[in-house]
Amino acid sequence: GENVEQHPSTLSVQEGDSAVIKCTYSDSASNYFPWYKQELGKRPQLIIDIRSNVGEKKDQRIAVTLNKTAKHFSLHITETQPEDSAVYFCAASKNTGNQFYFGTGTSLTVIP
Amino acid sequence: EAGVTQFPSHSVIEKGQTVTLRCDPISGHDNLYWYRRVMGKEIKFLLHFVKESKQDESGMPNNRFLAERTGGTYSTLKVQPAELEDSGVYFCASSQAPTGVGTEAFFGQGTRLTVV
Repeated sequence: GENVEQHPSTLSVQEGDSAVIKCTYSDSASNYFPWYKQELGKRPQLIIDIRSNVGEKKDQRIAVTLNKTAKHFSLHITETQPEDSAVYFCAASKNTGNQFYFGTGTSLTVIP
Repeated sequence: EAGVTQFPSHSVIEKGQTVTLRCDPISGHDNLYWYRRVMGKEIKFLLHFVKESKQDESGMPNNRFLAERTGGTYSTLKVQPAELEDSGVYFCASSQAPTGVGTEAFFGQGTRLTVV
């Protein structure tokens, strides 16, 4: 089965700095990689996703990169703001499956 | 539109008791998932319904867990009898198409289950 590893488990950055969260996956058949953000006491929400036929995707201050050869993908947040503080989960899935395989989560704290 | 709702938000029960968690998916979403996050670990798949049918229950830990989705609307997840290791946050998610094809899954806020 698929195994997704996520690093770091905790990350603190100064407001305005960039934050990078990295994930690796094991199953080369995985082809869809969403990122979910869970703020304290709230539900996990999709913030960005990428498919295996694309190497990079941007949405304002958030970007995701995918390296299929190395089987890793990363979330980049630029100009961080206090409201970016949350737990971020990466995940992987494939066409032949029904489920997401999640990483263990990264708790991001943006210090004002 | 209304999101995925889960009840209760928090449950504390004693070992050996029974607890039933409920999930109301987004209206019209045929696909319903249960996931669980044990403290500090990954969010792990439990099972997947398509309408009222169990499509995949490979993630269910053991036969103390029973999930149902009668009528293809809301779903319940019953734990009987509960053990200490069942503690964690139980998430429900729903989607229009199976998430394996790259469809967004909408999550509920979760039920935090504590077994003491």
